[in-house]
Amino acid sequence: SQTIHQWPATLVQPVGSPLSLECTVEGTSNPNLYWYRQAAGRGLQLLFYSVGIGQISSEVPQNLSASRPQDRQFILSSKKLLLSDSGFYLCACTNVAGESTDTQYFGPGTRLTVL
Amino acid sequence: RKEVEQDPGPFNVPEGATVAFNCTYSNSASQSFFWYRQDCRKEPKLLMSVYSSGNEDGRFTAQLNRASQYISLLIRDSKLSDSATYLCVVTPLYNFNKFYFGSGTKLNVKP
Repeated sequence: SQTIHQWPATLVQPVGSPLSLECTVEGTSNPNLYWYRQAAGRGLQLLFYSVGIGQISSEVPQNLSASRPQDRQFILSSKKLLLSDSGFYLCACTNVAGESTDTQYFGPGTRLTVL
Repeated sequence: RKEVEQDPGPFNVPEGATVAFNCTYSNSASQSFFWYRQDCRKEPKLLMSVYSSGNEDGRFTAQLNRASQYISLLIRDSKLSDSATYLCVVTPLYNFNKFYFGSGTKLNVKP
């Protein structure tokens, strides 16, 4: 079965600083990958998804960007963080071998606080 | 209008009780439906998919009502460990990469 790793687990960053969050997937190949953000007490907001290396679809215009340099690696970045970027960032995957293509699994998440 | 709406709760129930949540969706062309469970400060975990014919997994039963555009989750014989937030998820027919999450329904099972 697949395993999704995310790091760091928690992060405290000042406003205006850059950001790089990493997600890697083990145990499957050619997954579809997703970045979500969950603000405190809120639902999940889809930020980006990717169906292959170098392919990124952006769902919400903002100061974040994503990249997929390798099949099982998904990176979320920002050049300058805003206070509103604080939240719980979750990486997810679908298209896992042996599962239906729309079953989604999540990594443990990164909790980001921007001060 | 939100794609997916849930009563935020909290639902406070005693151990052993039966509790049910509903989730409404706005797009009649929605294709796939799921319930996820999220513990405090943790990632969501798939609880069950929801099929047109309904499905049951132990104490949990999920049903889909396409005519009224809602899905439901029934939990029988509630356990303390069932305390969590339950998220409803819907995907549209036209884009299997879009997953619309409800904000969740919080359940507190008390001794």
